Amino acid sequence: AQTVTQSQPEMSVQEAETVTLSCTYDTSESDYYLFWYKQPPSRQMILVIRQEAYKQQNATENRFSVNFQKAAKSFSLKISDSQLGDAAMYFCAYRNAGGTSYGKLTFGQGTILTVHP
Amino acid sequence: DGGITQSPKYLFRKEGQNVTLSCEQNLNHDAMYWYRQDPGQGLRLIYYSQIVNDFQKGDIAEGYSVSREKKESFPLTVTSAQKNPTAFYLCASSILWGTDVNTEAFFGQGTRLTVV
Repeated sequence: AQTVTQSQPEMSVQEAETVTLSCTYDTSESDYYLFWYKQPPSRQMILVIRQEAYKQQNATENRFSVNFQKAAKSFSLKISDSQLGDAAMYFCAYRNAGGTSYGKLTFGQGTILTVHP
Repeated sequence: DGGITQSPKYLFRKEGQNVTLSCEQNLNHDAMYWYRQDPGQGLRLIYYSQIVNDFQKGDIAEGYSVSREKKESFPLTVTSAQKNPTAFYLCASSILWGTDVNTEAFFGQGTRLTVV
């Protein structure tokens, strides 16, 4: 079974600074997808960034980028130039791309990010 | 206007009662999911369905049941066998067979269930 681990229950950052959120996962599959989602106080889940396992290039979306280390099964999120609106709970997620559990989407425990002005 | 609709937003259940949470999507997505979220916690998978008339247990399926009679609908029933059902429930959907750009899940706005 796939598992996703976020070892940082809480993180904080000063506005305009950079912060990195950690995520590791365990799988025996070679093809899969990884995601970071943001959940603000409204509780609406918002996709931040996605990464396809077969792509070596790290995904970037504006101020958000990932460091994908497939051999180490690590998928960290870097937020640059942090803004007050980035404050939220962040979830790392793994999705199978094959096998009998194709499409199964598993989440980590989440990291609460606080942004200080 | 495409999306996922969960209803109701708030639901109260008396002990010993079954309740059903609704989830409907008009995105023509293949897969649908149910998650439970407890305060300050992550999302735990209850059930997911890859195709109509089929579904798979997630990590915490005990005390819950689902059906997938239509592609658009994936209702979740919280049975009296679920001893601690008070939580926030999220429904999601995703494309399974398509281009990589569409692999992410889309979420409803959630249902808050409280046992009274």
